[in-house]
Amino acid sequence: GNSVTQMEGPVTLSEEAFLTINCTYTATGYPSLFWYVQYPGEGLQLLLKATKADDKGSNKGFEATYRKETTSFHLEKGSVQVSDSAVYFCALIGGSQGNLIFGKGTKLSVKP
Amino acid sequence: DVKVTQSSRYLVKRTGEKVFLECVQDMDHENMFWYRQDPGLGLRLIYFSYDVKMKEKGDIPEGYSVSREKKERFSLILESASTNQTSMYLCASTRGGGRAGELFFGEGSRLTVL
Repeated sequence: GNSVTQMEGPVTLSEEAFLTINCTYTATGYPSLFWYVQYPGEGLQLLLKATKADDKGSNKGFEATYRKETTSFHLEKGSVQVSDSAVYFCALIGGSQGNLIFGKGTKLSVKP
Repeated sequence: DVKVTQSSRYLVKRTGEKVFLECVQDMDHENMFWYRQDPGLGLRLIYFSYDVKMKEKGDIPEGYSVSREKKERFSLILESASTNQTSMYLCASTRGGGRAGELFFGEGSRLTVL
């Protein structure tokens, strides 16, 4: 079945460092791919999405490109801030009703 | 501001008790979901509903049931709580169709079963 694999955390970076969080997927066909973020004490919120191969999703300085050749959707940001400290989840569509299959999450801590 | 509201942020229950977790959304969304979130396991789908009175099992439905009597409300029921159901429970909703996968989440309900 469909699945998502994320790099394990936690990831600790200094402010203004470059961020990459790896995500690879296994799926039948080419499902839409998503990154969600969970800030401390809050529910998840959609960060960005891509619906087809070679699409680039972007939001708040974060980017991810849908790569079907490598079945990957890595999250990147050029310069992280302390406020980016959160748990990041990669996900793909699991069914026609929009339910998502999530990776296990990667915790990011950014130090000043 | 669109919202998914979960009735309780924190609950402590005893083994064997019946537990109700309530979720209400104000966006007129067709689809609603219950996930549980556990460290190292990520989010796992318990049940979802795509219409009033309709429900589908997710990946881990055992020990849970759901109710959707009104479009805006989706309840998760633990008939007889057990300690392995101690977890964070997240409710979400989405319009579906072209917005499939764009879920709006509540803040979560942290349940401890003693």
